[in-house]
Amino acid sequence: DAMVIQNPRYQVTQFGKPVTLSCSQTLNHNVMYWYQQKSSQAPKLLFHYYDKDFNNEADTPDNFQSRRPNTSFCFLDIRSPGLGDAAMYLCATIPAGGTLYNEQFFGPGTRLTVL
Amino acid sequence: AQSVSQHNHHVILSEAASLELGCNYSYGGTVNLFWYVQYPGQHLQLLLKYFSGDPLVKGIKGFEAEFIKSKFSFNLRKPSVQWSDTAEYFCAVTGGAGNTGKLIFGQGTTLQVKP
Repeated sequence: DAMVIQNPRYQVTQFGKPVTLSCSQTLNHNVMYWYQQKSSQAPKLLFHYYDKDFNNEADTPDNFQSRRPNTSFCFLDIRSPGLGDAAMYLCATIPAGGTLYNEQFFGPGTRLTVL
Repeated sequence: AQSVSQHNHHVILSEAASLELGCNYSYGGTVNLFWYVQYPGQHLQLLLKYFSGDPLVKGIKGFEAEFIKSKFSFNLRKPSVQWSDTAEYFCAVTGGAGNTGKLIFGQGTTLQVKP
């Protein structure tokens, strides 16, 4: 009965080799967020979708991009991962029809290692 | 810009001890406040939230938090901790002009409960 699913849970990539992380949700939530959480740090928002509207945080590097082909799925693409991109990547959603003041539901995260 | 500060980075307690984790935020307007918990190897889960009304909110697993507007604080408390409360605790806030539902997290507090 998982609600927010992230695949894979662990991803190893090489320096500069593109990687894609995926998030899916079974709750028909219309808002989806991607956060980056580096070791011993707080999660930091990269971008979010409100339906198909993409909203990038001002300080998110161009190296990070996202796609949302439909309501259920959202992808995080890292075009050329650097060592500094090693982190836990968290996907979160807010219920459809809800306000932006609702709690966010988080997935288990994907831990990215860059060699 | 909004910010969240958690005073304690690492707390060690014995079972049955009382817990209070400090959280202060910087935004002076209407905010929504959250405490999330991350158990080892698990995803972020909501402990409790404050949107409006009674400033003393009760959450799951015996946790509560008090919103003190004049002090910009939202401290988390539990009268008697258990070994199973060992986890990372994050205070977070949303709100402000142009609210996107973006969560601003504090740095997190690692709680270690000794049996």
